[in-house]
Amino acid sequence: KNQVEQSPQSLIILEGKNCTLQCNYTVSPFSNLRWYKQDTGRGPVSLTIMTFSENTKSNGRYTATLDADTKQSSLHITASQLSDSASYICVVSEGMEYGNKLVFGAGTILRVKS
Amino acid sequence: NAGVMQNPRHLVRRRGQEARLRCSPMKGHSHVYWYRQLPEEGLKFMVYLQKENIIDESGMPKERFSAEFPKEGPSILRIQQVVRGDSAAYFCASSLTAMNLNTEAFFGQGTRLTVV
Repeated sequence: KNQVEQSPQSLIILEGKNCTLQCNYTVSPFSNLRWYKQDTGRGPVSLTIMTFSENTKSNGRYTATLDADTKQSSLHITASQLSDSASYICVVSEGMEYGNKLVFGAGTILRVKS
Repeated sequence: NAGVMQNPRHLVRRRGQEARLRCSPMKGHSHVYWYRQLPEEGLKFMVYLQKENIIDESGMPKERFSAEFPKEGPSILRIQQVVRGDSAAYFCASSLTAMNLNTEAFFGQGTRLTVV
């Protein structure tokens, strides 16, 4: 069964600190991996998209890594800010005949406190 | 260019009533996806539509649920005879082309359906 597992389930850090969120997946056939940020009561917003040939990608203070061999990804957030408090969702694209179908993890709820 | 617009944002229905959720994709986007999110869970794929056609409805329950994306107007997700278990947040996303390696999917704010 295609699955995306994220850890930790939730995390509290102090403003200015770094953190790393983990994602393991069993989706096959694999097409790409995305990280989204979802604020409470809002829709997900894309942070990064990586294909199997990319092993790292940055977007500002967010850096995602991908190991397609071990089927693991991580999202590293540097110098966290209060506005980083949100759910971070790992999404893996399952290759279909018509394109890709997105398979979502349950998310890691990050709370940044001052 | 407005983003993906969903309405209503909140919808309350009594058991047995019909719920109709609307999604207007981003301008120029002809690919629409519906997802359901239960509390503490990830978004679950329901259906993928491309202007007037249902491409993949494998995630949508066979009974009571239907979706359409007419030539003119928004995409509609219809739930007939709602039950308490239908209470969830329903998200719509759109893309310019079919989802491929680097295709971005843009999400709406969601409709929170509560069945009482």
